[in-house]
Amino acid sequence: AQSVSQHNHHVILSEAASLELGCNYSYGGTVNLFWYVQYPGQHLQLLLKYFSGDPLVKGIKGFEAEFIKSKFSFNLRKPSVQWSDTAEYFCAVGPLAGNNRKLIWGLGTSLAVNP
Amino acid sequence: NAGVMQNPRHLVRRRGQEARLRCSPMKGHSHVYWYRQLPEEGLKFMVYLQKENIIDESGMPKERFSAEFPKEGPSILRIQQVVRGDSAAYFCASSPRSPDEQFFGPGTRLTVL
Repeated sequence: AQSVSQHNHHVILSEAASLELGCNYSYGGTVNLFWYVQYPGQHLQLLLKYFSGDPLVKGIKGFEAEFIKSKFSFNLRKPSVQWSDTAEYFCAVGPLAGNNRKLIWGLGTSLAVNP
Repeated sequence: NAGVMQNPRHLVRRRGQEARLRCSPMKGHSHVYWYRQLPEEGLKFMVYLQKENIIDESGMPKERFSAEFPKEGPSILRIQQVVRGDSAAYFCASSPRSPDEQFFGPGTRLTVL
């Protein structure tokens, strides 16, 4: 069955700490991968996406993610978090081909950054 | 280019009433997705539509819920005879093609009294 697993449900960090949020997926075939962020009270926004090419993807606000095909993973990283990074983070996976290309979503990781 | 628009932003209904949620995708986008979000439950896919077609409604409850995306006008998510358990935030997203990036609207927060 198709699924996306985000291992950390709640993460609490101090400012300047490094961040890594895990995302593993189960999906047959070639995929596209996404990380979205939802700041408190706001709608989801795209942080970064991977379609093809360099497996290390740079996103907005200093975030990056690495696609490791052999591990079916797409972990999100940021070397030094800020208080303003407090948000909910969602990983999503979609097929590269086929008629039904809906995204499969992880349950999200809630990040709280203490000033 | 305006973003994805949803209205109303907040909707209060009593049990048994109908709720109609509207979503206007971004200009040029022909793919629309509806999601429901509950605290601690993440984002739940409900339905994926293209103009005048339902592509995937595997996440929609079989009863009381329906969705459409007509040739003209916004996409509508309709919930008949609402119950308290329908209280949630409902988000709409659109994309120019699938599986391109999805752009999300601000959501409609439905409260059922």
